[in-house]
Order: sequence, then C-alpha cells, then structure tokens
Amino acid sequence: GAVVSQHPSRVICKSGTSVKIECRSLDFQATTMFWYRQFPKQSLMLMATSNEGSKATYEQGVEKDKFLINHASLTLSTLTVTSAHPEDSSFYICSASRDYNEKLFFGSGTQLSVL
Amino acid sequence: KQEVTQIPAALSVPEGENLVLNCSFTDSAIYNLQWFRQDPGKGLTSLLLIQSSQREQTSGRLNASLDKSSGRSTLYIAASQPGDSATYLCASDSSYKLIFGSGTRLLVRP
Repeated sequence: GAVVSQHPSRVICKSGTSVKIECRSLDFQATTMFWYRQFPKQSLMLMATSNEGSKATYEQGVEKDKFLINHASLTLSTLTVTSAHPEDSSFYICSASRDYNEKLFFGSGTQLSVL
Repeated sequence: KQEVTQIPAALSVPEGENLVLNCSFTDSAIYNLQWFRQDPGKGLTSLLLIQSSQREQTSGRLNASLDKSSGRSTLYIAASQPGDSATYLCASDSSYKLIFGSGTRLLVRP
C-alpha cells in the first residue's frame, strides 16, 4: 500500500520557538494533503487542507499565521508551528491520497511537546 | 454541520469473541465512510472504506456496513485477537474532508 512518511515523530521545544513537521508521500503523488491535530483522548480534528502549488485552506478556528503550511511539491507538505506555546502541545498527523474519494494514508504522527 | 459519534467509547472483550463497533453520523450526504485503527501514539491505519453507493466492505476478519438513510455504520470484528487491541475511529467524508468520531478503545484480553 501507499506510504506516507512523517518526521519528526517526536519533538520537544521551548516556548516561543518554531517547529517544522514534514509529510511525504513516498510512492505516489498527492495533489492534496491534510493536517490533523489530536489532543489526548479526543478525536482527530482537521486543521487544514494543503494543495500543491496553492495556499492551504484552513478550518475555522485554526490560525493560519501560526500554523504555516507549505505544499511545494506533489510529494511534500510541511507544517510549521510558529512561536509555539504549551497549548500547542498535541499530536499532529498528516494524510494524503492518490485521488479524490480514495483511501487516505496517514503518516505516523508527530508528538509535539512545548515546554 | 456533520457530527460523528461512536459507541461504545471503550470495550473490553475476551479473546475469540465477535464484536461490533458502532458509528453514527448526522448528515447522510456523505461520499464515503471510513474506518481506521490507531495504535497508541501512532498514526492511523486505514481499515475499510465504504463508498456511499455501497452497503458493506470486507477485509479478512473485518466487515463494515453502511446505512446512509439511518446515518449508521458498524464495524464487525470476528474472532477477536489481542493484536486487535487499539482505538478504532470512523470518519465520514462529506466534502473531501474527513470528520472523525472520538473513537472506541478496544482491549482484547488473552
């Protein structure tokens, strides 16, 4: 099956620093990638939809200036958490699919802890 | 606004038992319904995807059904094994966006 690689798997940073998370589709081209956030014991919440070559579409309540998304190629999307604060500590997961209405394949997630 | 609910929130069963996980959604205008498995601290594994025109999908010991009219989907796991222990999430796709339920945490006891 398709493989989506997400790095890093875990990051601990100081408050005020920026953290970049990469999501790569290793064996297929993904026009669209998605970024989710999951707080402990809660469901995944869609943060934004990342389209190659265009601006990301953010869900209501997600600060686009804080969560910068770049989808520079058909196989790579990045999420940068700028000026991270402890309340940004969460599990971030990306996903991608080959085509519309096909299965989504997920990265292994990134556990972000902001001290 | 689509809302997805999963019942039960947690389930503990002895090995070998057949079990059913439930998922309900409020907006029946969906493109598909998907079931995922999540292991602690890890990403999601897609288990089954049921298109809106389909009634069920099967993969090994897993069978998922979809009833759009009633806004329900079930995931049936046959002959459960300890390795099935995980959180199972369902998600509806209404407009190329997945809306997730809060999941069912399953523990299969040896």
